[in-house]
Amino acid sequence: DAGVTQSPTHLIKTRGQHVTLRCSPISGHKSVSWYQQVLGQGPQFIFQYYEKEERGRGNFPDRFSARQFPNYSSELNVNALLLGDSALYLCASSPLGGAVSKLFFGSGTQLSVL
Amino acid sequence: AQTVTQSQPEMSVQEAETVTLSCTYDTSESNYYLFWYKQPPSRQMILVIRQEAYKQQNATENRFSVNFQKAAKSFSLKISDSQLGDTAMYFCAFMFPETGTYKYIFGTGTRLKVLA
Repeated sequence: DAGVTQSPTHLIKTRGQHVTLRCSPISGHKSVSWYQQVLGQGPQFIFQYYEKEERGRGNFPDRFSARQFPNYSSELNVNALLLGDSALYLCASSPLGGAVSKLFFGSGTQLSVL
Repeated sequence: AQTVTQSQPEMSVQEAETVTLSCTYDTSESNYYLFWYKQPPSRQMILVIRQEAYKQQNATENRFSVNFQKAAKSFSLKISDSQLGDTAMYFCAFMFPETGTYKYIFGTGTRLKVLA
């Protein structure tokens, strides 16, 4: 079975641009969450979606938005990119939205903002 | 606010030896879970072990075990018989349920190098 897939794997953008990152969860998983991992730090929670509804949002500005599609894949959008948005963006899926669900992570999208 | 602290940025261990990675956390929550995740150079986070706060018994998974001290808010990971494939970043994570969802908080990680 395919794991969590993210695209693209690497991306270079300039300040002020917009970016869309994509995530396909493991088949049968209905929950997707997004994390930002700045170099030298642990992942920070951005969003969680379950059954196409936003269930949680971390402390990120409104420039960050996301959505989940009927096939449970998800997009993370970041507008007006700043240098500080440079990071590894991780997507994780889980079977349920409940608290005890184990997270399965993708290999991430490395975003560089110049 | 919940915090997770990993005070060892880097550690090394000889192959076949035992190593312990430290983690402390701060919370006022009573219902929570603790995790150790491994992030190899491939960048994919992999769950190593999980501990429910309401369970007194320490979790074990093959060569991996934890020392969970709830009163001290300490959650260390012991890796026995270290293997070269254990070389990776290790993140301690705290998870608690919030209305309709749950939140994960990760520590800053410990880079473990297993030496041949």
